[in-house]
Amino acid sequence: QERLVESGGGLVKPGGSLTLSCAASGFTFSNYFMSWIRQAPGKGLEWVSYMNSVGNTIYYSDSVKGRFTISRDNAKKSLYLQMNSLRAEDTAVYYCAKFSNDGFDFWGQGTMVTVSS
Amino acid sequence: ETVLTQSPATLSLSPGDRATLSCRASQSVSDYLAWYQQKPGQAPRILIYDASYRVPGIPARFSGSGSGTDFTLTISSLEPEDFAVYYCQQRTSWPLTFGPGTKVEIK
Repeated sequence: QERLVESGGGLVKPGGSLTLSCAASGFTFSNYFMSWIRQAPGKGLEWVSYMNSVGNTIYYSDSVKGRFTISRDNAKKSLYLQMNSLRAEDTAVYYCAKFSNDGFDFWGQGTMVTVSS
Repeated sequence: ETVLTQSPATLSLSPGDRATLSCRASQSVSDYLAWYQQKPGQAPRILIYDASYRVPGIPARFSGSGSGTDFTLTISSLEPEDFAVYYCQQRTSWPLTFGPGTKVEIK
């Protein structure tokens, strides 16, 4: 069955960098659009970034534009999020999700990113 | 940016009750609206897409309606496992946006 497994989260100091990974299985990864969505502790969902199936269409939320970079490796069935210049307000659980014409139709379990000195 | 507003913020109901959740968009999203359920410690899961289409495997007690700017998620008779937070989300325009959520709690 479909599976998305995020990794790479952890504790990082303000101004630091982190790269998240999302490993996909159980579906043809290269056929699907993908997104990163985050959720700050006790808060709601915030869409972060989107990439189409071949990687030539990318969108970012204003809150991360210029600091985060989404990428994918279809051969490795993996999605990535390079996060630079991290701020306290970036502290959240980061989910990768498969995005179809229906919406975010499958989510990983998330990886926690904590930005603190 | 299309802002989604959900009401009420919290709904206190008993098992067997009918739940009616509202989502309002700051501009028309046509029918490109989805509903998600999130339980504590879990990732969200999609329930409804394109305003009224139930995802396969989602129980028939969940239904969605609306178009344009006003949408409703209805749970016809609450089961114990339905107590959770529900989010609406639009895919009409970038950035994609979520509503702030409605928590359905046990009364």
